[in-house]
Amino acid sequence: AQTVTQSQPEMSVQEAETVTLSCTYDTSESDYYLFWYKQPPSRQMILVIRQEAYKQQNATENRFSVNFQKAAKSFSLKISDSQLGDAAMYFCAYLEFNAGKSTFGDGTTLTVKP
Amino acid sequence: NAGVTQTPKFQVLKTGQSMTLQCAQDMNHEYMSWYRQDPGMGLRLIHYSVGAGITDQGEVPNGYNVSRSTTEDFPLRLLSAAPSQTSVYFCASRFGGPTSPLHFGNGTRLTVT
Repeated sequence: AQTVTQSQPEMSVQEAETVTLSCTYDTSESDYYLFWYKQPPSRQMILVIRQEAYKQQNATENRFSVNFQKAAKSFSLKISDSQLGDAAMYFCAYLEFNAGKSTFGDGTTLTVKP
Repeated sequence: NAGVTQTPKFQVLKTGQSMTLQCAQDMNHEYMSWYRQDPGMGLRLIHYSVGAGITDQGEVPNGYNVSRSTTEDFPLRLLSAAPSQTSVYFCASRFGGPTSPLHFGNGTRLTVT
């Protein structure tokens, strides 16, 4: 079974600074997809960014970017110019290409200090 | 466009009671799933469905039943509630394509006493 590990239960960053959240995963598959979701205190799950495993280029979405290292099975999220609204729990997720199931990590709670 | 709608938002049950958590989506998504979120444990997959009439077990299926009679609805049934089922439950759906992200409902907070 695939596993997703987020080794940082909590992280904090100063407003306007940059922070990187770590995610590693274990799989024997070659085709899969990776996602980062954000869960603010409202409890709503929001997609932040996605990465296709067959693409070597790292995905970017405005202030959010990933560092995807397929050989190392690592998928970290970098948040630049952190804002107070970025404070949330962040989940890394793995999607199995054929089965369609998503596996989530345990989450990282990000605090943004003003 | 309502997206994914879960009801109820909150529920308190006594041990042994049964209930159904409702989930409906209006985006014509083929894939639907149920997760539970416990403190410090992220989201764990309970059951999922890749289309009407097709369901399968996830990581933690015991104590829960599902059915998918229509594309829109995917109810989760607790057969005999136990305190270990106290959790926040999320329903999520997406298109069948693998790059499609999950769309989540707002969750149901269930407490079993």
